[in-house]
Amino acid sequence: AQSVTQPDIHITVSEGASLELRCNYSYGATPYLFWYVQSPGQGLQLLLKYFSGDTLVQGIKGFEAEFKRSQSSFNLRKPSVHWSDAAEYFCAFTGGGNKLTFGTGTQLKVEL
Amino acid sequence: DGGITQSPKYLFRKEGQNVTLSCEQNLNHDAMYWYRQDPGQGLRLIYYSQIVNDFQKGDIAEGYSVSREKKESFPLTVTSAQKNPTAFYLCASSLRDSSGNEQFFGPGTRLTVL
Repeated sequence: AQSVTQPDIHITVSEGASLELRCNYSYGATPYLFWYVQSPGQGLQLLLKYFSGDTLVQGIKGFEAEFKRSQSSFNLRKPSVHWSDAAEYFCAFTGGGNKLTFGTGTQLKVEL
Repeated sequence: DGGITQSPKYLFRKEGQNVTLSCEQNLNHDAMYWYRQDPGQGLRLIYYSQIVNDFQKGDIAEGYSVSREKKESFPLTVTSAQKNPTAFYLCASSLRDSSGNEQFFGPGTRLTVL
């Protein structure tokens, strides 16, 4: 079955520390992969997406993600976290077409 | 500015009542979607529409209905048949083709059943 897994429900990091949020997918071919961020009570905003080509993708707000086919992963990273990065992060994928499958999300807390 | 609007932001309903959530977009997108979000469960697809006057059930369509009479609008009705309707509802839109397009999201409607 096609699915996406975010193993970490909650992550806490100190401001200024590096961040990595994990995302693993299950799909028989190369998927289209997305990372979205959601502030409390708000809609989702796209951080970055991977379709093909360079496996290291740069996004907004200083985020990047690396597609690793051998590990079926698309982890999100940021070198130095800011307090304003506290939010919920969702990984999503599609095999093509318009239906996205979302992970269950990772809640990020930033300690000052 | 182009975007997606959802109204109202908060909605309260008594048990046994139907209620309709509004979603409007001015992005000229063909495809529109409704998701339900519950804590710890991510987003689950209720209904989606790829063109006017056509829509398909998503993963959790029971107890919900939609219409797509205009390209800009995709209202969702939560019926009395939905057993646990209290949730955060998100509307989204995208271009319609096979290349895995980005979905743009509205700000959401929080529905509470009293």
